[in-house]
Amino acid sequence: RKEVEQDPGPFNVPEGATVAFNCTYSNSASQSFFWYRQDCRKEPKLLMSVYSSGNEDGRFTAQLNRASQYISLLIRDSKLSDSATYLCVVIPVYGQNFVFGPGTRLSVLP
Amino acid sequence: DAMVIQNPRYQVTQFGKPVTLSCSQTLNHNVMYWYQQKSSQAPKLLFHYYDKDFNNEADTPDNFQSRRPNTSFCFLDIRSPGLGDTAMYLCATSQGQGANGYTFGSGTRLTVV
Repeated sequence: RKEVEQDPGPFNVPEGATVAFNCTYSNSASQSFFWYRQDCRKEPKLLMSVYSSGNEDGRFTAQLNRASQYISLLIRDSKLSDSATYLCVVIPVYGQNFVFGPGTRLSVLP
Repeated sequence: DAMVIQNPRYQVTQFGKPVTLSCSQTLNHNVMYWYQQKSSQAPKLLFHYYDKDFNNEADTPDNFQSRRPNTSFCFLDIRSPGLGDTAMYLCATSQGQGANGYTFGSGTRLTVV
């Protein structure tokens, strides 16, 4: 089993739709969780950290379920500019480096 | 603005000709990373410096080397590039273990011909 797995995608959704991505991780001791966004041929950029209590930033909501070892990202009212690859990132154990998921590609269509 | 800067943005090199990619940062972060990202794949960690301590990933080919002459700069040297080394090379920084995330540079797109 891979350390971090994501919905394979791609997701093609119309503008205004709500879309959710899931990510599972294998190490139950994992410490920190993030969602990064990567546009085509650009660098990954931090979208949001994922906290145990869940967190929201505008149209984006992240949830962490430690018991089931998954995190999710919900995007409401999708915009064309949300089209990108969304990377789930986990720090497995304190002192270890980022582990990236394979990414889920989102295309928001007019 | 504080940032991570990579040069050049695009590099074409011949098979077997050594190439050096550079990264500088104004964030004063103590950890610097080099990632390789091939098309439609997740970034793959090559190595990182924690302060002056070099940490190589077990599966990083010997062909890839790195130097960090000071806190702000880090270099990736590819001694004899092969066609399979064509990829985006991303530099990233963090303060400590990265509990607040990593900051990435805009990358160098390397093409080996």
